[in-house]
Amino acid sequence: SAVISQKPSRDICQRGTSLTIQCQVDSQVTMMFWYRQQPGQSLTLIATANQGSEATYESGFVIDKFPISRPNLTFSTLTVSNMSPEDSSIYLCSVMTGISYEQYFGPGTRLTVT
Amino acid sequence: AQRVTQPEKLLSVFKGAPVELKCNYSYSGSPELFWYVQYSRQRLQLLLRHISRESIKGFTADLNKGETSFHLKKPFAQEEDSAMYYCALVNAGGTSYGKLTFGQGTILTVHP
Repeated sequence: SAVISQKPSRDICQRGTSLTIQCQVDSQVTMMFWYRQQPGQSLTLIATANQGSEATYESGFVIDKFPISRPNLTFSTLTVSNMSPEDSSIYLCSVMTGISYEQYFGPGTRLTVT
Repeated sequence: AQRVTQPEKLLSVFKGAPVELKCNYSYSGSPELFWYVQYSRQRLQLLLRHISRESIKGFTADLNKGETSFHLKKPFAQEEDSAMYYCALVNAGGTSYGKLTFGQGTILTVHP
């Protein structure tokens, strides 16, 4: 498995502002992902963070709203831009270690937009 | 499109009773399925993967391709099993390679 940390663990932000969430892994991993968990809902994949190239976004998610960076094999950031109350969610990063598609999750970032 | 269904949002049992958390899936290829668990105030963690056919914390899950099911079972529930359980299916190819599709989750409560 991999040890994954996220910063910040939680934040309260005003609408119209942006927040960047960091995800750090203790070892090099091939694949990193960003998920969103809206209140009372299950997890939904936002995008795959690709090292050295643009992220691959799922339907319903766009780069202008959720820009992602992945400068190396252990680190990624997700920015939630121009926030609205509907963006209030838990945002989680995960990594796939390459062993039978197993994925491991960070502790999540709880975002509240007022 | 791939889909995972967990029909029970809440499941309550007494300690020592058997428990079964249901999961059904829809996937056009050969499915790779997982169970994840989230205990109170802890992060989401991998519990089981179908390919390993192992028992973790007394839980087992068998993939039934005919019924497109991957139910999680434990013969004797313990209070410490109380948690949220998610069934998940991985996309093993294409542009969404590695994507996990989650069910809605089942909150299991084991009463003393």
